[in-house]
Amino acid sequence: GAVVSQHPSRVICKSGTSVKIECRSLDFQATTMFWYRQFPKQSLMLMATSNEGSKATYEQGVEKDKFLINHASLTLSTLTVTSAHPEDSSFYICSARDGTGGSYEQYFGPGTRLTVT
Amino acid sequence: AQKVTQAQTEISVVEKEDVTLDCVYETRDTTYYLFWYKQPPSGELVFLIRRNSFDEQNEISGRYSWNFQKSTSSFNFTITASQVVDSAVYFCARRGNTGFQKLVFGTGTRLLVSP
Repeated sequence: GAVVSQHPSRVICKSGTSVKIECRSLDFQATTMFWYRQFPKQSLMLMATSNEGSKATYEQGVEKDKFLINHASLTLSTLTVTSAHPEDSSFYICSARDGTGGSYEQYFGPGTRLTVT
Repeated sequence: AQKVTQAQTEISVVEKEDVTLDCVYETRDTTYYLFWYKQPPSGELVFLIRRNSFDEQNEISGRYSWNFQKSTSSFNFTITASQVVDSAVYFCARRGNTGFQKLVFGTGTRLLVSP
């Protein structure tokens, strides 16, 4: 089955620093990847949609300059939280869409828990 | 916005009880897909089912069953003879068939199954 990995699984950083989270599709090519944020006891909220080789499309209310998304290849997308603050502490989940064969299924990564101190 | 509503925030049952999780969705699409995911305490989403809008047949998979009623825009999920391992947060989601085909998640229902 299609596998999506995320790295790191857990990260703690100091306020003001930047953190990069990687999302990889391991056995398929993902033309589109999605980034979600989930606060404790809440649902997944879509932050942005990234297409390989083009700029990400951000959802309303998500700061583009704070959450930098790069989808440089068909198997890798990165989310960089710049100048992180405690309120950015959250569970970040990526998903990758397999566009081959017309299935358009989304496969989710295991998530990255970010704690900003 | 085309919402997905899971009115039950939390449900507590005792092992072996049956439990139904409700999901009501809004959509303007003719073609769309509905999903259920399980999120155990580890956080990783576990895919349970996908149903497209043209297939209203109910589905059963082991102790899990799903009831899709297009007339009421509902896609309910029933766990028969619940087990402690079923304790998790369950999300219903909808995906359209145009544009980025984004998934819209419901607010989730936390299921607690006690021994």
